[in-house]
Amino acid sequence: DAGITQSPRHKVTETGTPVTLRCHQTENHRYMYWYRQDPGHGLRLIHYSYGVKDTDKGEVSDGYSVSRSKTEDFLLTLESATSSQTSVYFCAIRGQQGKELNTEAFFGQGTRLTVV
Amino acid sequence: AQTVTQSQPEMSVQEAETVTLSCTYDTSESDYYLFWYKQPPSRQMILVIRQEAYKQQNATENRFSVNFQKAAKSFSLKISDSQLGDAAMYFCASLGGSEKLVFGKGTKLTVNP
Repeated sequence: DAGITQSPRHKVTETGTPVTLRCHQTENHRYMYWYRQDPGHGLRLIHYSYGVKDTDKGEVSDGYSVSRSKTEDFLLTLESATSSQTSVYFCAIRGQQGKELNTEAFFGQGTRLTVV
Repeated sequence: AQTVTQSQPEMSVQEAETVTLSCTYDTSESDYYLFWYKQPPSRQMILVIRQEAYKQQNATENRFSVNFQKAAKSFSLKISDSQLGDAAMYFCASLGGSEKLVFGKGTKLTVNP
């Protein structure tokens, strides 16, 4: 267990409402990632963070924003949810300080989001 | 741009046989890492094998090995002596100096008894 928790695990929301997903880690990993997984599309990178307050866009960032105000938490916000954002969202962490081989990513259990 | 392409949406193999999953990638970086991850029905992502681009020797982990062709930007995964527990989605991924971790679309592997 790499000490990564996603919340909530399941959520149903209405179109047009804002939604925030949380990724929490207890392992002091520097890098954090948000992905969405959809059939036929694999894992697509939404945003990632390389430190506190340091974030960058992935390939499918439109309609999403992120924040990382402390090492442990990486928040993903859907500013105005749409049905096309119905998906399973995964958080990943990487780069534990002091580890030589810090390339391995550890994943949360996923959040199933349904936008109706 | 950093991209990963898996051209086989689905593959099947008989138990105890060998199967090879294909992956090609594109990157402008000189130093990078390549990975294969496994996702069983539980949805948990598990690292199978890792390859550092500057190492010419192909990585191996027990029954799993890769064929890394740097010039061709190809990174295939070979699973020997396939077992029922190998059935899963397999994702190829690349990590570059930008720290961006990019995945392919995945290959669903079925193992037939």
